[in-house]
Amino acid sequence: DGGITQSPKYLFRKEGQNVTLSCEQNLNHDAMYWYRQDPGQGLRLIYYSQIVNDFQKGDIAEGYSVSREKKESFPLTVTSAQKNPTAFYLCASSVRTQPQHFGDGTRLSIL
Amino acid sequence: AQSVSQHNHHVILSEAASLELGCNYSYGGTVNLFWYVQYPGQHLQLLLKYFSGDPLVKGIKGFEAEFIKSKFSFNLRKPSVQWSDTAEYFCAVNARNTNAGKSTFGDGTTLTVKP
Repeated sequence: DGGITQSPKYLFRKEGQNVTLSCEQNLNHDAMYWYRQDPGQGLRLIYYSQIVNDFQKGDIAEGYSVSREKKESFPLTVTSAQKNPTAFYLCASSVRTQPQHFGDGTRLSIL
Repeated sequence: AQSVSQHNHHVILSEAASLELGCNYSYGGTVNLFWYVQYPGQHLQLLLKYFSGDPLVKGIKGFEAEFIKSKFSFNLRKPSVQWSDTAEYFCAVNARNTNAGKSTFGDGTTLTVKP
């Protein structure tokens, strides 16, 4: 079945540590997105990529970085510069402006 | 810049009650409109979408939404809710005449249906 796979499901970060969240899709979608979901705040866009080797900052990119070396992969790194990283992170993909398909999410917590 | 406002943060209904969730957006151009649903323990999924044509669109599980351009609204409705409709609902928009699919989401409405 086609879909989006996010891993790990749960992740713990120590102070000063960078962590990377994985997102893989086999839907052959050009566009991929990373969102952060906090209670009562909906989904906020961190980064998005419309094509391989290109990506743009979203509304809350500070403290995060991404890469898009392959069409099917869009990993997100939460750096030590992100002072409030505890959240639920969602990866999505789409064909241009068509509806987005979402993964199951990764819940990041601070130790 | 786009923005989306969902009026109700938490709605509690009894089974068989009618549902209407409000959604208003702000954007200067033409938009595509979506409602997504997140059931407990499941991933976010599309409920319905509006791109063009008939402003009354029907989605899965008996849901429908009406696009009223003059009011910049896209309210979600269901005549009779079930316990299984308990979920979080998100309204979203993206700009139609663009290759960029990035969407702006509302803050979400949590619906609790009491059996």
